[in-house]
Amino acid sequence: EVQLVQSGPEVKKPGESLKISCKGSGYSFTSYWIGWVRQMPGKGLEWVGIIYPGDSHTRYSPSFQGQVTIAADRSISTAYLQWSSLKASDTALYYCARHGGIVGATDPLDYWGQGTLVTVSS
Amino acid sequence: QSVLTQPPSVSGAPGQRVTISCTGSSSNIGALYDVHWYKQLPGRAPQLLIYGNNNRPSGVPDRISGSKSGTSASLAITGLQAEDEADYYCQSYDSRLSVVFGGGTKLTVL
Repeated sequence: EVQLVQSGPEVKKPGESLKISCKGSGYSFTSYWIGWVRQMPGKGLEWVGIIYPGDSHTRYSPSFQGQVTIAADRSISTAYLQWSSLKASDTALYYCARHGGIVGATDPLDYWGQGTLVTVSS
Repeated sequence: QSVLTQPPSVSGAPGQRVTISCTGSSSNIGALYDVHWYKQLPGRAPQLLIYGNNNRPSGVPDRISGSKSGTSASLAITGLQAEDEADYYCQSYDSRLSVVFGGGTKLTVL
């Protein structure tokens, strides 16, 4: 069974750093792209970026380029989304999801993690 | 302002048919990129509902269907049931922006 299990909720102060994780199981983690999606409170879905764990190739949405870093450790089948300096506007629910095809960004997001709530407040 | 435009809300009575539109442009849906649809229940992660414009994953009933024409796509739900009440999102690929979502549509079952 394919599963993506995300790390728990985080409460941080503005300016702090943060890394959240997404562990894949039940499939070949290095063979499928993993995407990150943001959902701000009461709002819709926004694509953050994507990584191919096989070679750590990444692409970012222009809206998030330079604001976050996506990484992966294929030895433990885990993808990461990280911030070096959080802002209050980063407060949101962040989902990881698998692109279920061989191409990547054009493929549907067929399996989703449960989401990680990030709260940034002074 | 989302790249793909959806109506904020639609509603229908049990048993009725509803459709949700998703309007894009020549750099995404009109460029022949596939459209995918997701259903999100309150407090839950989105789940894939339709992929590749009109294909249903295993477990999705055949009263749910998708279509695409030109720069738009549609999701249709027939025989509306209480369990269909949720938020629905379309998603495609944009040659300039990469992965793009619609703003979401809240379906209310009256």
